Formats: sequence, structure tokens, C-alpha cells
Amino acid sequence: AQSVSQHNHHVILSEAASLELGCNYSYGGTVNLFWYVQYPGQHLQLLLKYFSGDPLVKGIKGFEAEFIKSKFSFNLRKPSVQWSDTAEYFCAVRGGATNKLIFGTGTLLAVQP
Amino acid sequence: GAVVSQHPSWVICKSGTSVKIECRSLDFQATTMFWYRQFPKQSLMLMATSNEGSKATYEQGVEKDKFLINHASLTLSTLTVTSAHPEDSSFYICSARGGGDGGYTFGSGTRLTVV
Repeated sequence: AQSVSQHNHHVILSEAASLELGCNYSYGGTVNLFWYVQYPGQHLQLLLKYFSGDPLVKGIKGFEAEFIKSKFSFNLRKPSVQWSDTAEYFCAVRGGATNKLIFGTGTLLAVQP
Repeated sequence: GAVVSQHPSWVICKSGTSVKIECRSLDFQATTMFWYRQFPKQSLMLMATSNEGSKATYEQGVEKDKFLINHASLTLSTLTVTSAHPEDSSFYICSARGGGDGGYTFGSGTRLTVV
């Protein structure tokens, strides 16, 4: 069965700092990988996704993620965070032929102005 | 883009009563929808996969008789929490796969409080 782990549960950064959130998955076959963001009081929004091709994926709002197959990782990065990036970030994986999307535990990011 | 509407956004009910939550895909057809439960400060836990025209597939540990799912059309899935108890209080979120890009679109969630 597929699973996802996010190592950072709570991250606090100052504005303009660089961000990297870890995501590792467990699944032996082909995977689709996603990062979602949930702003306070709002629904989940897709930041970016990886299906195939270039392992470096660029998403909205300056976020990017790199799929490293050998490490089963899909870390999220942003070179310079803003106060408005304060939110909870979820990594998710869909494995093989299944339609099910499995989420990691989430990382709460707080950006201090 | 693809939009999923979830209703109601919040509901308070008495213990022992049943509550129905609706999830609609507004501009695309969704043969499959998903129901998640999110506890405070925790992740989304997949409860079940709702399949249009057939029975839902429940995840291990989810009581199918308590959480009734009906997917009667290509744009509507409903989750009914039957005989609700305070421990059923949670944030319920639906999602649908569709809209053309292979991604998933999420509803805005329903905050259920059972008193």
C-alpha cells in the first residue's frame, strides 16, 4: 500500500528565507505526486503535480518540487517565502492504477514578516 | 477550471440524528469521488471511494453502515453520517478526479459538530 511521510510538522521562517519541505513516499511502482496548500479557512488548492517527464516541476506562486526516484522523494521548494505563504502544505501520492490519493501528515508553515 | 461544490459548509446536529453532506462537480463529470476526514491539526484520511452507479469502496476501519455514500449521478455524491455521535465531529472533505488534467479538485469541506 502506498504511504506518504512529511518530516517537518511545523516550520517557522522569516520573509525572504528559502523553503524546503520534505516528502517521502512508499510505493514500488509508478506514482503521481502532488503538493497541495490549504490557507486558513480555505479548501485545498493544487500547487503542482508530477506525472512523468522532467523531474523538476514548477507550480504556482513560485513553488517548485523535484522528484528523485532513487530517494522516493518529492520535496517542495521556494527560494524566497512571503508572509502570504503561511498555510498548511500537504504532499500526496497516487500509486499505480489506483485512483486513490493518499496524503502526508502536512506541514504547517508560518512566515514571520 | 474544475470546481467541486460541497454543501453544507458547516452543520451542528444532535447526537443520534443523521446528517447528509453533498458533493457536486459543477463543470465536469466525475465517475469517481472521494471522501476524506480531517481531524484538527492532522492530515486528510481517506474514508471511501465513491463510484457512480455502484457501491462505494471503504478504507479499512471505516464503518460503511455509519458513513453511507451514494453516487447517484456523474455530478453528485452524498455522504450521510448516520446516528451521529460527538466522536463523529470532524471536518469532512470531498474530492473528484476530473476536469481534464488528471488532477483532483477538492470541495471546501463540511465542519460537522455533533452535540
